[in-house]
Amino acid sequence: GAGVSQSPRYKVAKRGQDVALRCDPISGHVSLFWYQQALGQGPEFLTYFQNEAQLDKSGLPSDRFFAERPEGSVSTLKIQRTQQEDSAVYLCASSLIADLKETQYFGPGTRLLVL
Amino acid sequence: GENVEQHPSTLSVQEGDSAVIKCTYSDSASNYFPWYKQELGKGPQLIIDIRSNVGEKKDQRIAVTLNKTAKHFSLHITETQPEDSAVYFCAAILTNAGGTSYGKLTFGQGTILTVHP
Repeated sequence: GAGVSQSPRYKVAKRGQDVALRCDPISGHVSLFWYQQALGQGPEFLTYFQNEAQLDKSGLPSDRFFAERPEGSVSTLKIQRTQQEDSAVYLCASSLIADLKETQYFGPGTRLLVL
Repeated sequence: GENVEQHPSTLSVQEGDSAVIKCTYSDSASNYFPWYKQELGKGPQLIIDIRSNVGEKKDQRIAVTLNKTAKHFSLHITETQPEDSAVYFCAAILTNAGGTSYGKLTFGQGTILTVHP
């Protein structure tokens, strides 16, 4: 079946622009995670949704970052007034149930470059 | 704070040799430890995971061992092939001060594995 998909795959933004990154999780998956991966580093947690509820946003680096999942399926990560330090790969992952030991399946990521 | 340490950062082996990557974690309550393989331009792909009720798990050429007392776990790849070349990440679920984590993964820094033909 289809895996996690993300769009766009690449995004170049001028400093100060707003961007929106989309994640389509595996159909029926309850849990959805966003991670940020800087060059040469491991992914770092940003935020977590259980269906449409955002239960953890402790990893969002500033109030310029906002995420939503209004119908419990597709999610959007929005970054306002982008800065150069926002340049990274943004990864989305989903898992079938809300269990601490449930496998997370990752999408290919969106590579964001802020000039 | 709670973290996952991974070593080595780079590993170069000859085809057919074994490769071992080690990780340590700080949260004694952690009970799920996945390993991911990431190829250039792609997202992390789960290759094997282990839960705290077992000490070892094997899947063909890949095995993972877990020592909960020492708080470390290792990935073993035998009979390496050039297509095993990639970045490998260990991860763990670390509970926060409130005791909840919702399954968010804390990753190690990654190991760049190169298998020479």
